[in-house]
Amino acid sequence: KNQVEQSPQSLIILEGKNCTLQCNYTVSPFSNLRWYKQDTGRGPVSLTIMTFSENTKSNGRYTATLDADTKQSSLHITASQLSDSASYICVVSFDQTGANNLFFGTGTRLTVIP
Amino acid sequence: DAGVTQSPTHLIKTRGQQVTLRCSPKSGHDTVSWYQQALGQGPQFIFQYYEEEERQRGNFPDRFSGHQFPNYSSELNVNALLLGDSALYLCASSVGPSLLWEQFFGPGTRLTVL
Repeated sequence: KNQVEQSPQSLIILEGKNCTLQCNYTVSPFSNLRWYKQDTGRGPVSLTIMTFSENTKSNGRYTATLDADTKQSSLHITASQLSDSASYICVVSFDQTGANNLFFGTGTRLTVIP
Repeated sequence: DAGVTQSPTHLIKTRGQQVTLRCSPKSGHDTVSWYQQALGQGPQFIFQYYEEEERQRGNFPDRFSGHQFPNYSSELNVNALLLGDSALYLCASSVGPSLLWEQFFGPGTRLTVL
């Protein structure tokens, strides 16, 4: 069964600290993996997209890593800011066209406190 | 350059009613996908429109239907509303019908069914 699991479900950190969010998937064959940031009540915004041949990609203070062998990805946030408070969603794609080839995780809810 | 826009922002309906949600894609995009996101869950793919036709469909009943107009904008219609239809409805646009390409999400329409 194709699944995307994220951990932890929720996380609270102090402003300025670093944190790492995890994504494990069983989707196969794998095409790409995306991390999205979703503010409460808003649409997701893309942070990074990685194909199976990439093992790291950065976007400012966000760095995503991918291990296609173990089917794990992480999103590392450096020097967190209050505006980083949001849900972070991992999305994995099948390597084929057709219906239902995007699998969304349920997200990690990050709260950054002053 | 306007991003993806959706209307209305919020909507309250009663069981059995019908609802129409609207989406305008990002400039230059020709494909619109619709997602349902229940509270605390990841988005679930409903269907996708390209060249004014439904190209792909997720596991949603026929009560969910849509339309795409020549200007690439799209509507999502839900008939015979159920309490379980209460969710954030997201529209995402992209270039071309493959779900493997990056999608840009709108802010969503919050539907509440009483």
